[in-house]
Amino acid sequence: DAGVIQSPRHEVTEMGQEVTLRCKPISGHDYLFWYRQTMMRGLELLIYFNNNVPIDDSGMPEDRFSAKMPNASFSTLKIQPSEPRDSAVYFCASSLTTGRNTIYFGEGSWLTVV
Amino acid sequence: KQEVTQIPAALSVPEGENLVLNCSFTDSAIYNLQWFRQDPGKGLTSLLLIQSSQREQTSGRLNASLDKSSGRSTLYIAASQPGDSATYLCAVLNAGNNRKLIWGLGTSLAVNP
Repeated sequence: DAGVIQSPRHEVTEMGQEVTLRCKPISGHDYLFWYRQTMMRGLELLIYFNNNVPIDDSGMPEDRFSAKMPNASFSTLKIQPSEPRDSAVYFCASSLTTGRNTIYFGEGSWLTVV
Repeated sequence: KQEVTQIPAALSVPEGENLVLNCSFTDSAIYNLQWFRQDPGKGLTSLLLIQSSQREQTSGRLNASLDKSSGRSTLYIAASQPGDSATYLCAVLNAGNNRKLIWGLGTSLAVNP
């Protein structure tokens, strides 16, 4: 398997623009996670899905952030409108149901909002 | 509320040294604990996963231990190499149905040739 695939790898956008980050989880994994990583706060879980259903979105910072998972092989994280403080690395990760299985990360989307 | 702390935040050692990275957590009701490695500009790679019923896990030169009662885990790296230079993060999965991993901020390791 190719692993968790994220796009774009890097994005620079102007404040106020819409940003869409995309993720393809590992085939067969039924959990999908969106994380944000910054130097100051480390890794923060934004939202996670189980079988395409959002389970916990308590980490989504505000209404400007939204996430969808229309099918088992695709998810998006949108920021609209974007702000400079959204600049971070956004990771998508996936895992199988059982707690014995580890979580696999994509290589991240590096977002800079100017 | 579960909190995970990693000490030290940064570590620099000469090649060949054996070293220990520390991870502590405040709530012992965990399902498992995992150690990850992150290289600059990359995602995280799982190194070792220890279930709450286990005391340690080994993979090559890496050994992770878990002491649930004291809320501590250590990652032991034997005969360190420059290729081990990376940030090491630990994360705990609390017992229960919630799938949220609680993360430490990581230890940045530099192994000097």
